[in-house]
Amino acid sequence: DTAVSQTPKYLVTQMGNDKSIKCEQNLGHDTMYWYKQDSKKFLKIMFSYNNKELIINETVPNRFSPKSPDKAHLNLHINSLELGDSAVYFCASSLRQGRETQYFGPGTRLLVL
Amino acid sequence: AQKVTQAQTEISVVEKEDVTLDCVYETRDTTYYLFWYKQPPSGELVFLIRRNSFDEQNEISGRYSWNFQKSTSSFNFTITASQVVDSAVYFCALSEAVPLNNAGNMLTFGGGTRLMVKP
Repeated sequence: DTAVSQTPKYLVTQMGNDKSIKCEQNLGHDTMYWYKQDSKKFLKIMFSYNNKELIINETVPNRFSPKSPDKAHLNLHINSLELGDSAVYFCASSLRQGRETQYFGPGTRLLVL
Repeated sequence: AQKVTQAQTEISVVEKEDVTLDCVYETRDTTYYLFWYKQPPSGELVFLIRRNSFDEQNEISGRYSWNFQKSTSSFNFTITASQVVDSAVYFCALSEAVPLNNAGNMLTFGGGTRLMVKP
């Protein structure tokens, strides 16, 4: 009974390909997030969705498109992958937006060759 | 803009030593929340604690304790009698309490401190 799950855990792909990462939470939370962790371990928010509505888009290239089919899912699709996209991508969720603790998924390690 | 600084990039201690991880933050808000997360070698991010800006009481949970000093904008984390299993990267993070312009709840992370506990 994992709270926040992501698939796949590892993703190795060639430059120029399109790939998706899926995220699901079974906590009944309203708000979900995507964070990127670079090779130096620096964590930065990419997107936030509240009740399927986009709330935060932190100057992420248009090649990244989040999709929230329902409150429990937030997927990340990446077009035309570049070498610089190699990172660990974390999904997170919180009960509501504003003051709540964010709980993170296990991360997806993306390597673009 | 919010900022979180963890000046210690790496700390190495021997098991059973006490260790303190520093966290200094900047925010213009009077109401905010502070967090600590642990990232063990397996890579997941584990929530440790949340503290709101109105609660300056220190918190203790087993071998872990947190010291929140609003006057110095610091939220330090101490591990007492460290163990090898404490080896991880620890992140301090800051969040505004109330979304501005519906901007949502954005966590700003520090750069992390890698703690290595040697047997």
